[in-house]
Amino acid sequence: SYDLTQPPSVSVSPGQTASITCSGDKLGDKFASWYQQKPGQSPVLVIYQDNKRPSGIPERFSGSNSGNAATLTISGTQAMDEADYYCQAWDSITGVFGTGTTVTVL
Amino acid sequence: EVQLVESGGGVVRPGGSLRLSCAASGFIFDDYGMSWVRQAPGKGLEWVSYINWSGGATSYADSVKGRFTISRDDAKNTLHLQMNSLRAEDTALYYCVRVGALGPSDYYMDVWGKGTTVTVSS
Repeated sequence: SYDLTQPPSVSVSPGQTASITCSGDKLGDKFASWYQQKPGQSPVLVIYQDNKRPSGIPERFSGSNSGNAATLTISGTQAMDEADYYCQAWDSITGVFGTGTTVTVL
Repeated sequence: EVQLVESGGGVVRPGGSLRLSCAASGFIFDDYGMSWVRQAPGKGLEWVSYINWSGGATSYADSVKGRFTISRDDAKNTLHLQMNSLRAEDTALYYCVRVGALGPSDYYMDVWGKGTTVTVSS
C-alpha cells in the first residue's frame, strides 16, 4: 500500500510562516491535495492539484509538490489557522491520506 | 446549497452489518464521483472507498476490501456503503465526500458531510 508521512506537529508564531511536508514515494508524480480540520468540524479542502486554492481559501495558503514530497505553506499565519492538516493523494482511483499534522499558533 | 447528509450509523455487534446512506443535494449528483472517508476517535482521516460518476468503477482500502460495498442510486441522488463483518476497528465517524475530477488520477474532495457515527462493540 502507498503511505504518506507528515510530522505530527508544527508550531508557529502569529504572522510567521508555517510549512508542513508530506513525504511519499514519487509523490511528485501524483497530484496532492491538502485538507484543514478544526476540532469538531468536517475537513475543508485548502489546496488541490498541488497548488490550486478553492474559492474562499485565503491566499496565504499555498502548495508545492516535487520529487518525494509535497509542502503546504501558510504565510502570515493567523490564530484561526490552528488546526489539523492532512495531505492526500490518489493512486489511480485509490485514495490515501497522510498521517496528519497539528499546527499550533503560539 | 451544495449539501451531503449521512445517515444509518449506530451501534452494532462485531460481525454485524450496517448500511450507511448519504443524501446529496444542490449539485448534479451523477456528474461526480463520491467517496467515504472515516475517522476513528482521536485519530486521523482514513480513505475508505470511491465510486466514479457512472458507478462503473469502484475501489476500496485494503482494510475494508471484501467486507464493504459502495454503491450509488442516481435516481435518488444517494450514495450507500454496505458494511458487513464489522470489527471493533471499524468504529469511526464516517464522512460522505464529493470527489471532483480534473483528469486521470487528478481528483479532489471538495464537499464533505458532517458524518455519521458507527460503533462496533459487544
